[in-house]
Amino acid sequence: DAKTTQPPSMDCAEGRAANLPCNHSTISGNEYVYWYRQIHSQGPQYIIHGLKNNETNEMASLIITEDRKSSTLILPHATLRDTAVYYCIVRVGGGSEKLVFGKGTKLTVNP
Amino acid sequence: EPEVTQTPSHQVTQMGQEVILRCVPISNHLYFYWYRQILGQKVEFLVSFYNNEISEKSEIFDDQFSVERPDGSNFTLKIRSTKLEDSAMYFCATTQQGTNEKLFFGSGTQLSVL
Repeated sequence: DAKTTQPPSMDCAEGRAANLPCNHSTISGNEYVYWYRQIHSQGPQYIIHGLKNNETNEMASLIITEDRKSSTLILPHATLRDTAVYYCIVRVGGGSEKLVFGKGTKLTVNP
Repeated sequence: EPEVTQTPSHQVTQMGQEVILRCVPISNHLYFYWYRQILGQKVEFLVSFYNNEISEKSEIFDDQFSVERPDGSNFTLKIRSTKLEDSAMYFCATTQQGTNEKLFFGSGTQLSVL
């Protein structure tokens, strides 16, 4: 089972920041937080991941709380193409461990 | 960005028939996975494969399923005798190293069992 809790859906206005929360209160010290998204029925797409420090790349920022029990994915300027299901996943950073997908958050970006 | 290629994009088959789904991993990737997604449901892990062996498999991956990398490039998923409930989108994913690496997913094969 997924070890994370996410709201089932969120809306965001085009051009505004989208902030997607995730709770992972049982995360272990060696588990990373990964974010993926799935646009329509396409294959999941990697967005970002982190252990305990905040991370930023060309797609998004990841803010992880100090106790690591929750995190927020930030899309700074959402576009219509960011409409997708966003998955927050915790995974040990080693070996060939699988990703366990939950139901994710359906983000709808409105014009 | 490099891509994982899956063929065919759509496969229609009769119940009881064998199907083979194919995946071309990114060239220097070493870890391979199959996932599936039944319409409207979660993405589910099937199997992981490394060094020509299955590393882990889920309860879904029963004796009707098998994987192999026959020629060192293609990574295949075979369903020996398809059932109606095997109808799903099947995704291949690969990663360069298992440690702290992102998985690259293919665009999927939509399998329809009639």
